[in-house]
Order: sequence, then structure tokens, then C-alpha cells
Amino acid sequence: QSALTQPASVSGSPGQSITISCTGTSSDVGSYNLVSWYQQHPGKAPKLMIYEGSKRPSGVSNRFSGSKSGNTASLTISGLQAEDEADYYCCSYAGSSTLYVFGTGTKVTVL
Amino acid sequence: QLQLQESGPGLVKPSETLSLTCTVSGGSISSSSYYWGWIRQPPGKGLEWIGSIYYSGSTYYNPSLKSRVTISVDTSKNQFSLKLSSVTAADTAVYYCARLCITIFGAPDNFDLWGRGTLVTVSS
Repeated sequence: QSALTQPASVSGSPGQSITISCTGTSSDVGSYNLVSWYQQHPGKAPKLMIYEGSKRPSGVSNRFSGSKSGNTASLTISGLQAEDEADYYCCSYAGSSTLYVFGTGTKVTVL
Repeated sequence: QLQLQESGPGLVKPSETLSLTCTVSGGSISSSSYYWGWIRQPPGKGLEWIGSIYYSGSTYYNPSLKSRVTISVDTSKNQFSLKLSSVTAADTAVYYCARLCITIFGAPDNFDLWGRGTLVTVSS
């Protein structure tokens, strides 16, 4: 099972919106509405930002939103802020044999 | 507030077995609403799911690591553990334990709580 494909880096100015893509296959992203997104600051543990494709856990800013189309999931950060600068990983359920596959990760830079 | 804490040796010799324990505090590991899992991250690289376990002992492993991985649970101590055998330098990573939510339909969903992680270096 290969890792989900994400762009290595995405950047934007404060206040702008950016979108991170996460491309999988019909065996993972395309088959299940179980994509989650994680934010990771340097030296810290990942933090859940989006689950089941578009749901936000309590306490996560509504500036973060998720969506899916076919085999590609997306994370959009609107009103970009300096604190959003971090690495972001997607993750998808991939069936009872493989269970989970993570994305390659995207470094978000706030210019 | 439930918390997870990894513990174990920070240095393991090549060909030996890496052993880590995750202690769950502030809640019970025997909840029917969660699995428990291990994820690792080599220095400067991405996340890799290692495996997950239910409090009953049911396990799921990453196929690429399955032959070397054993995950077990001790409900009396509120802990679950990871053993990775025949380690090489490629197994050097920060190892995280995490709680895995289950959907209302019983499917594994997301990792909603994470430990701080522990760095394990494989070197002679």
C-alpha cells in the first residue's frame, strides 16, 4: 500500500486561503469517507484537525475545512495565520487488510 | 483529561527487539469506543501507521511490518505495548501511541489523541 500523495509544500500570505490535496486510490480515499487531517508543529505530536472528510473536532478553528472528490481529499485553510505554519498530513482508512495509510505530508509556509 | 505516555529504551542495537509501552491515564483502555495504535515518524520524514489493538486483544498490523510487529494490551495496567523485532537503522524514528476512534458503524476512524512521542535510535 503506497502513501497518499500530497504536495511537498504550499505557501500563502496572511489572510489568504490555501488548499492541500491528498490523492489516493479507489482502495482508500475513493472507497471510504474516513479521511482525517493532522497538523504537526516542529517537535510536537500531530493534532487532529479534520475527520470523516469534513468534520471538525471540538476546539478546531472553523478556518479549517475538508472535502473529497473521487480519489482526492482536500484541506482548505482560510484566513491564513502565522500559527498555521506547520506540516499537514492526511490519512485514510484503506480496508480491513491495510487499515490505514498516511499521506506524504505538506509543509505550509505563511509568507 | 485522558493522556497517553510512551516509555521504553531510547537506544536499541541492530537485530534486537524494540519494546515500548504506552500508559493511558485519566480514562480506561477498556472502552468499547476506541482502538489504540502505534505510529512512527523517521527523522525528517512522514508518518507511518504501525498497528492497532482493541482492548479485547484484536490486532491489526501494517502489512509491510506485520512479520516483525507484535502489539499487546494489559487492561489491568491500562497499558498497551509494541514489540518490533530484528530492527535496523531504518527503524530509527519517533514512536507515537495514539487513541483511535471508532465510528458509530464500528469502523476505525481517526487518531484523536496522541502521546508526546519517544525517539528510538537503532545503533550499535
